[in-house]
Amino acid sequence: AQTVTQSQPEMSVQEAETVTLSCTYDTSENNYYLFWYKQPPSRQMILVIRQEAYKQQNATENRFSVNFQKAAKSFSLKISDSQLGDTAMYFCAFMKQEVKKLVFGKGTKLTVNP
Amino acid sequence: DTGVSQDPRHKITKRGQNVTFRCDPISEHNRLYWYRQTLGQGPEFLTYFQNEAQLEKSRLLSDRFSAERPKGSFSTLEIQRTEQGDSAMYLCASSGTSNQPQHFGDGTRLSIL
Repeated sequence: AQTVTQSQPEMSVQEAETVTLSCTYDTSENNYYLFWYKQPPSRQMILVIRQEAYKQQNATENRFSVNFQKAAKSFSLKISDSQLGDTAMYFCAFMKQEVKKLVFGKGTKLTVNP
Repeated sequence: DTGVSQDPRHKITKRGQNVTFRCDPISEHNRLYWYRQTLGQGPEFLTYFQNEAQLEKSRLLSDRFSAERPKGSFSTLEIQRTEQGDSAMYLCASSGTSNQPQHFGDGTRLSIL
């Protein structure tokens, strides 16, 4: 079974600075997808960024980028120019290509301080 | 496009009662998923529908849980004889194809007294 590990339960960053959230996963599959979801307090889960395992190029989405290291099974999220609205729980998730369910990590609580 | 809608937002009930939650996916999405999220944890997969067919069920889904999607549109999740351990946020998500990301609703928070 696939597992996703987020080793940082909580992190904080100053507004306008850069922060990196860590995620590692365990799988024997070769074809899969990785995601970062954001869950603000009392609000719905929102997709931040996704990465297809077959793509070597790291995904980017405005201020959000990933460092995908397939051999190391590592998938970190970098948030540049942090904003107060980035304060949220961030979940790393894995999905096997032929299996539709997401497997989530336990999350990292990110606080952006003014 | 109004997004994934879940009803109710909160449900408080006594242990032993039955509860039913509803999820309306994004209209053109044919895949629908249910997850459960307990405090301090990431969501855990419960079950998945493609159109009206329930294609996968987690072992977390005991006999007291049943999910339906009768016409391939909205879905219901029923919990019979609720227990304290059922207290959680129940999340619904939908997607258009297997390779499209899942879009989540606000969830239904269930509290068992």
